[in-house]
Amino acid sequence: QKEVEQDPGPLSVPEGAIVSLNCTYSNSAFQYFMWYRQYSRKGPELLMYTYSSGNKEDGRFTAQVDKSSKYISLFIRDSQPSDSATYLCAMNSGGSNYKLTFGKGTLLTVNP
Amino acid sequence: GAVVSQHPSWVICKSGTSVKIECRSLDFQATTMFWYRQFPKQSLMLMATSNEGSKATYEQGVEKDKFLINHASLTLSTLTVTSAHPEDSSFYICSATSGVIRTQYFGPGTRLLVL
Repeated sequence: QKEVEQDPGPLSVPEGAIVSLNCTYSNSAFQYFMWYRQYSRKGPELLMYTYSSGNKEDGRFTAQVDKSSKYISLFIRDSQPSDSATYLCAMNSGGSNYKLTFGKGTLLTVNP
Repeated sequence: GAVVSQHPSWVICKSGTSVKIECRSLDFQATTMFWYRQFPKQSLMLMATSNEGSKATYEQGVEKDKFLINHASLTLSTLTVTSAHPEDSSFYICSATSGVIRTQYFGPGTRLLVL
């Protein structure tokens, strides 16, 4: 079983839709959870950063972490064509190790 | 805040030459920097981790003599691809962490094409 599982998609939605992106993980030591957005031929851009379980909202984006289920989600409200990108979940267990374990990424297309 | 730059963004070179890629943290001191490579439609693959003033730690299967990493200061790390070959053509991305929060900030990437 891979440490982090993420459905690669592709996911295609109409403009204005609510998008739900998800990752599951197996390592219960993970405590720090991130979502990155990567446009084609660009480096990943940090969208959301969460510690432990709970919700975090930033504009149209909401990140949820459920450590009991080992499940994290990213919701995008009122999706825009500019949201079309690959979304990567990433996580870290803490301590002196800053390495991230990534999901494979979900390719999202928002159609005008 | 937390901006990471890379230079060059694009490089084309002949087989057998060496190529140096710079990664800079512009507005914070990077205690640790990471180098990744990414093939088309694939996820990021960690190559090595470097701490300022220390030797880099390479991931299994990454040739340390081929991919030389230098982390000379808290704002600069370089990756040198020595004697590059066409199979080294890829998208190379660096990231940096300040140690303040447990995440990495990524550079824009460098596209390397070896002819």
